[in-house]
Amino acid sequence: AQKVTQAQTEISVVEKEDVTLDCVYETRDTTYYLFWYKQPPSGELVFLIRRNSFDEQNEISGRYSWNFQKSTSSFNFTITASQVVDSAVYFCALGVNNQGGKLIFGQGTELSVKP
Amino acid sequence: GAGVSQSPSNKVTEKGKDVELRCDPISGHTALYWYRQSLGQGLEFLIYFQGNSAPDKSGLPSDRFSAERTGGSVSTLTIQRTQQEDSAVYLCASSLDEGSRYEQYFGPGTRLTVT
Repeated sequence: AQKVTQAQTEISVVEKEDVTLDCVYETRDTTYYLFWYKQPPSGELVFLIRRNSFDEQNEISGRYSWNFQKSTSSFNFTITASQVVDSAVYFCALGVNNQGGKLIFGQGTELSVKP
Repeated sequence: GAGVSQSPSNKVTEKGKDVELRCDPISGHTALYWYRQSLGQGLEFLIYFQGNSAPDKSGLPSDRFSAERTGGSVSTLTIQRTQQEDSAVYLCASSLDEGSRYEQYFGPGTRLTVT
């Protein structure tokens, strides 16, 4: 069975702080994909990143960075120098190659960045 | 170009009534997914379509739920004899093709309230 766990339900930081959102996944499949989505107060899920299971290189995009470690089944997301506009619910998701693309989501982490 | 659109944006219905939720995917996207987001259950997969066929209906919670897709485009999710536990936001997503290697683009959702 596949599962995604985001242990942090809510995080509150002050603007300019760095913050890391944790994601731990479970799957027996060797080919899979990991995703992060952002859901701002407007409600629409916004795609942030996709990683496949064969690529463990960390990725940086502006203030965002992702750390993928197969040894610990984790795919953590760090926001550097957080801003108020980063306030949202962030979802980590798992897609398994032979299941047509359906995504299994974690419960989400609500990030609040205060000025 | 236009993103995924869903209608209605909000629907309030009485327990026992049937409802239809509509999804218009991004033009050219062959895969279409339905998810449900509720407070207690997080984001759950319901069903996906590749073209007009539904290879995976495993997430539909009961036989009161059904979905169809016509012309490889618009999809309708129907809930018969609605119950209060059906209250949730129903999200539709589309992707270029089926499979987790294709990112999914989400619509704004339909908020369903069953009174």
